[in-house]
Amino acid sequence: QSVLTQPPSASGTPGQTVTISCSGSTSNIGYSIITWYQQFPGTAPRLVIHYDDQRPSGVPDRFSGSKSGTSASLAISGLQSGDEAVYYCSTWDATLNERVFGGGTRLTVL
Amino acid sequence: EVQLVESGGGVVQPGESLRLSCGASGFTFSRHYMDWVRQAPGKGLEWVGRITGRPQSYSTDYAASVRGRFIISRDDSNNSLFLQMSSLKIEDTAIYYCARDTVSGIDFWGQGTLVTVSS
Repeated sequence: QSVLTQPPSASGTPGQTVTISCSGSTSNIGYSIITWYQQFPGTAPRLVIHYDDQRPSGVPDRFSGSKSGTSASLAISGLQSGDEAVYYCSTWDATLNERVFGGGTRLTVL
Repeated sequence: EVQLVESGGGVVQPGESLRLSCGASGFTFSRHYMDWVRQAPGKGLEWVGRITGRPQSYSTDYAASVRGRFIISRDDSNNSLFLQMSSLKIEDTAIYYCARDTVSGIDFWGQGTLVTVSS
C-alpha cells in the first residue's frame, strides 16, 4: 500500500489529453514539492515534472503538472504512442521522514 | 553529462550481506544529497534512503523497511556512493538505483543493479 495513491491504469487515443492523479495528505503532498517520473520497461525512471509544475529541459511542453492541497496531477496532451509508460509521483513525507512514491500508473495509448 | 553507474549486484542467500557502489560523473558530486531507490520485479519504486553532503555532516535517512540493516555512505574524493546491505531478506530482491537528489527531489537516476536474494 503506497502512501501516495495513483490509479493503476489510464488510457487515451492519439491526440487526446490524459490526466493522472496522485492523492496524499498534509504530511506529504500538502507539505513538500511533487515530482513526476516516466519509466519505460527495462529502463530507469526519467524526471518529467519537478517543483510541482515545472518541466526540466528536454521534456516536451505536452507534459504539465499541477497541485492543489493534498492532490497533484500530471497531464499529457497531444497523446503519442511513445508516451506509453508507467508514471510515478513522489514527494517527501514529513511524518515518516522518508521520500514516498505513488504506486505508479500504466498509461496505454489505444 | 550526468552519469551514475551502479555496480555490485548479484545473487546472495538470505541473511548474507552485499555492498553496492555507484560512480558519479558530470556534476559536482559533493554538493548533492544522494539516494538509493529500489524496484522489485514487476513492482513500483521504493525509496531506500539518502545521505546528505558534508555541510550536513553526511547524515542519513532510511526507509523503515531497511532501517538497521542497510547503511549508506559516500566518498566525495572519489565521487562514489555506497549501500551496505546486511541481513538480506528475499523481499530485498530488486533493481537498486542510485539517484541524485536536489531541492526539488530526485532528478537523475542510474541504470540500476540487480540484487537477488534466494536460497
